[in-house]
Amino acid sequence: ILNVEQSPQSLHVQEGDSTNFTCSFPSSNFYALHWYRWETAKSPEALFVMTLNGDEKKKGRISATLNTKEGYSYLYIKGSQPEDSATYLCAPRGRGLISNFGNEKLTFGTGTRLTIIP
Amino acid sequence: DAGVIQSPRHEVTEMGQEVTLRCKPISGHNSLFWYRQTMMRGLELLIYFNNNVPIDDSGMPEDRFSAKMPNASFSTLKIQPSEPRDSAVYFCASSLVTGEVFATNEKLFFGSGTQLSVL
Repeated sequence: ILNVEQSPQSLHVQEGDSTNFTCSFPSSNFYALHWYRWETAKSPEALFVMTLNGDEKKKGRISATLNTKEGYSYLYIKGSQPEDSATYLCAPRGRGLISNFGNEKLTFGTGTRLTIIP
Repeated sequence: DAGVIQSPRHEVTEMGQEVTLRCKPISGHNSLFWYRQTMMRGLELLIYFNNNVPIDDSGMPEDRFSAKMPNASFSTLKIQPSEPRDSAVYFCASSLVTGEVFATNEKLFFGSGTQLSVL
């Protein structure tokens, strides 16, 4: 899976406001969709891994939905806080062809860079 | 668990020199990934291993790059000879891939990265 698009590329949000952004990917041969949070000068950290159409995951004020038929996922942040400032990456993964465990490589989008304005 | 351990944290070398980056995945994980972060391409997959076997190395830029995983607890990424355009942050990540039923558990855990500067 190579065509991963995230939008917007960057976003400035006032503290306390809610926001959301999008990850689009080819819907064929779908296996899973990953979301990662990447703070400056740190390493990416996993937020969610989703596999089922209609899946919805939540972690505190952050939630995500998945539509595998049309190939998109939304990430929502409710009541943004300064510590939410980070780049949010999505990574779709295709179904492998060679073995039970040989799923295709995890290809990251270029991310949405979120800045929370105090 | 100490997490994914990468070494060195920083590497400065001169063009033409050999560079070796090292990674120790989380114990029990069966998949290992090498990524490179650049301004132009973001987080770019170079190669990944499953059960110590290279599965996909289509992201390796050219023959100057090679990666090995001699056992489940160690992997290296080698650049020989290095060039200034290889300057980037190189991340190693590992995960436990158990099959479709448990796919939601197959998160990647990243190391701290190696900042490589080739002068």
